[in-house]
Amino acid sequence: EAQVTQNPRYLITVTGKKLTVTCSQNMNHEYMSWYRQDPGLGLRQIYYSMNVEVTDKGDVPEGYKVSRKEKRNFPLILESPSPNQTSLYFCASSPDRDTTGELFFGEGSRLTVL
Amino acid sequence: AQRVTQPEKLLSVFKGAPVELKCNYSYSGSPELFWYVQYSRQRLQLLLRHISRESIKGFTADLNKGETSFHLKKPFAQEEDSAMYYCALFTGNQFYFGTGTSLTVIP
Repeated sequence: EAQVTQNPRYLITVTGKKLTVTCSQNMNHEYMSWYRQDPGLGLRQIYYSMNVEVTDKGDVPEGYKVSRKEKRNFPLILESPSPNQTSLYFCASSPDRDTTGELFFGEGSRLTVL
Repeated sequence: AQRVTQPEKLLSVFKGAPVELKCNYSYSGSPELFWYVQYSRQRLQLLLRHISRESIKGFTADLNKGETSFHLKKPFAQEEDSAMYYCALFTGNQFYFGTGTSLTVIP
């Protein structure tokens, strides 16, 4: 089944403990991106990648890192998580520039940082 | 700066009544606008995009560049339309989403 898969779906961690949220898509999409969803703020883009080895900051990149070594994977790394990074995170992908706009979303990863 | 505004956090309408979800944007370039929907326990998914000028599930949205708006409309709301709706702007590399409108259709 064509989809975007995120792991873990739920995670509780403590301040400062590095963590990685994985994102994988099996649709050969070029564009991948990460968002955080917070009450009253909607979805905000953290990072995006137009293709392999090409990543750029979105609106709220502070405290996050990403990498795009392979086309299918786009992990989100929190080197030293803090409580203000408690949020619901979504990964999404899109085919290519000509059809960009139709984002295919993962199910979301709910992260709590204590 | 790019921005998408959805002024209504919550919207309730009766079944069969018309519904309009408002969206305004701020962008100096040529906008690509979309509506995404999240039904209960489902993933966010594309509802419609302005460039295709299509009607999906009875919803339409017209881009008004003069008023910088992209309001979503449906003449007769159905119970299955109850969901969270997000307006989104794409600038060629970045996406900007509004804060969302939660629509409840009352039977």
